[in-house]
Amino acid sequence: AQTVTQSQPEMSVQEAETVTLSCTYDTSESDYYLFWYKQPPSRQMILVIRQEAYKQQNATENRFSVNFQKAAKSFSLKISDSQLGDAAMYFCAYRSGNQGGKLIFGQGTELSVKP
Amino acid sequence: AAGVIQSPRHLIKEKRETATLKCYPIPRHDTVYWYQQGPGQDPQFLISFYEKMQSDKGSIPDRFSAQQFSDYHSELNMSSLELGDSALYFCASSLRGQGGPDTQYFGPGTRLTVL
Repeated sequence: AQTVTQSQPEMSVQEAETVTLSCTYDTSESDYYLFWYKQPPSRQMILVIRQEAYKQQNATENRFSVNFQKAAKSFSLKISDSQLGDAAMYFCAYRSGNQGGKLIFGQGTELSVKP
Repeated sequence: AAGVIQSPRHLIKEKRETATLKCYPIPRHDTVYWYQQGPGQDPQFLISFYEKMQSDKGSIPDRFSAQQFSDYHSELNMSSLELGDSALYFCASSLRGQGGPDTQYFGPGTRLTVL
């Protein structure tokens, strides 16, 4: 069975600084997708970024980028120029490559942003 | 852009009562997923539907049932409610057919409180 682990329950960053959230996963599959979702105090689950395992290039979305190390089964999220609105719970998630697969989430990392 | 709609947003029930949660996916999306997020927990997959047929099942209690209707909306029916059913219930939708990206987008959730 696939598992996702986020070893940092809480992280803190100064506004305008850069922070990296860690995520590791375990799978025997070769085809899969990885995601980062953000859950602010409103509890809405918001997609931040998506990475296809077959792509070597790391995904980037504006200030958000990932460091995908397939051999190490590591998928970290880097947030550049942190803003107060980035404060939220961040979940790393895994999905099998077959269509319609369920998301398997990590435990989450609570990010606080200091002004 | 249209998002996933869930109703009601908040629901309070007594033990042993029944609850029905509704989900309206993003237009053109053909797959619906249900997740349960307990307090301080990560979301856990319950069940999914593709083109009105159940496609996958997670740790959903036998007291719960769900279906997807001809207009693609879905309902999660929960009977004999227990205190432990108090949680945030998310619906997500994706476009799986026609080579769709199959990325799951979440609704705002229904907060169920069982007293």
